[in-house]
Amino acid sequence: SQKIEQNSEALNIQEGKTATLTCNYTNYSPAYLQWYRQDPGRGPVFLLLIRENEKEKRKERLKVTFDTTLKQSLFHITASQPADSATYLCALSRGSYIPTFGRGTSLIVHP
Amino acid sequence: DAMVIQNPRYQVTQFGKPVTLSCSQTLNHNVMYWYQQKSSQAPKLLFHYYDKDFNNEADTPDNFQSRRPNTSFCFLDIRSPGLGDAAMYLCATSSIPEREEKLFFGSGTQLSVL
Repeated sequence: SQKIEQNSEALNIQEGKTATLTCNYTNYSPAYLQWYRQDPGRGPVFLLLIRENEKEKRKERLKVTFDTTLKQSLFHITASQPADSATYLCALSRGSYIPTFGRGTSLIVHP
Repeated sequence: DAMVIQNPRYQVTQFGKPVTLSCSQTLNHNVMYWYQQKSSQAPKLLFHYYDKDFNNEADTPDNFQSRRPNTSFCFLDIRSPGLGDAAMYLCATSSIPEREEKLFFGSGTQLSVL
């Protein structure tokens, strides 16, 4: 069956460091992959989208990579700040407009 | 600002008592989705509307229904809530076809069932 795996353990890092979150998938051939941020008790907010023919995408302090051979996407936040603390969800779509979400990984940035 | 608005933010209902959650959007998007999210779990798609066309997920219980009277509004009806239906309910929109198929979410309605 299709699976999207995100680390269920929280990632704790020090302010100023680079945070790297992982999204692995199996039995899937996504046409594109999205990353969302979700704060406690709120709806997810779109951050970045990367397509299967793109290796890397950047937006300000954010960078996403997409390796369809490894079936993995990495999400990086450089120069992390306590305000970056949240849960980050990846979502995959096979070409339809409907994404399937992972459970997310909690990021905690310590001052 | 254009946005997706969900009401209420918190809803408490009794076991078996019907409840309706509402969602409105000012984005004029043609697709509206309802997701259910339980604590520390992935949002799970219940159903979505593509324009007026209703699309139900195969594993969405019959207890859950939806209405979309016009482009701006969408409702989630839970006919007989059980304890297992306590969750955050997220409404989202997207504009298809569009270059980027991102979803715009509301703040969610946290449903408690007593």
